[in-house]
Amino acid sequence: DTAVSQTPKYLVTQMGNDKSIKCEQNLGHDTMYWYKQDSKKFLKIMFSYNNKELIINETVPNRFSPKSPDKAHLNLHINSLELGDSAVYFCASSLQVGGANVLTFGAGSRLTVL
Amino acid sequence: DQQVKQNSPSLSVQEGRISILNCDYTNSMFDYFLWYKKYPAEGPTFLISISSIKDKNEDGRFTVFLNKSAKHLSLHIVPSQPGDSAVYFCAASGASGTYKYIFGTGTRLKVLA
Repeated sequence: DTAVSQTPKYLVTQMGNDKSIKCEQNLGHDTMYWYKQDSKKFLKIMFSYNNKELIINETVPNRFSPKSPDKAHLNLHINSLELGDSAVYFCASSLQVGGANVLTFGAGSRLTVL
Repeated sequence: DQQVKQNSPSLSVQEGRISILNCDYTNSMFDYFLWYKKYPAEGPTFLISISSIKDKNEDGRFTVFLNKSAKHLSLHIVPSQPGDSAVYFCAASGASGTYKYIFGTGTRLKVLA
């Protein structure tokens, strides 16, 4: 009954491959996100969807393509993987609490590109 | 350009004492702030928030203080417990209801039994 679940938890792949990370939330939230935590531990937002509509698209290479088939799912597809894509990718969903959008995070997907 | 900074990468505190985690920001447009706690191999979990119309918010052992003129916030944990040992992130956003948060790099708190 995990609130925000991501698969896979670990992913090791070669440069140049294409891979996907899936995310599902059962909280009934309208908004979902992808965050990247790099080797310096910065948590940076990549994308956000609200009711399947893209609302945040940070400066992310075109090789990254999010897809939201419904408001409970947000997947991340990465083409032509590069060494610098190695990171932990966190999915999150949010609900407004007192004017602030409070994020609920998944456990993360650690991607290692060799 | 890191707009949210947590200058102490780590902090050790004795059990029962107060833990004070600090966060500084540079963007005066930020007006919502959140604190998250993260255990290894887990995602960050929400702890407490504060908006710029307040200078203090309290929830049990956790209190967040905001000093807008200094662009500084702090999280106080009293009394500290070993289970509080984790990485703590502060995050800031620019407007009510905004979906975009900027996170600091985190402070690793170790509470010694």
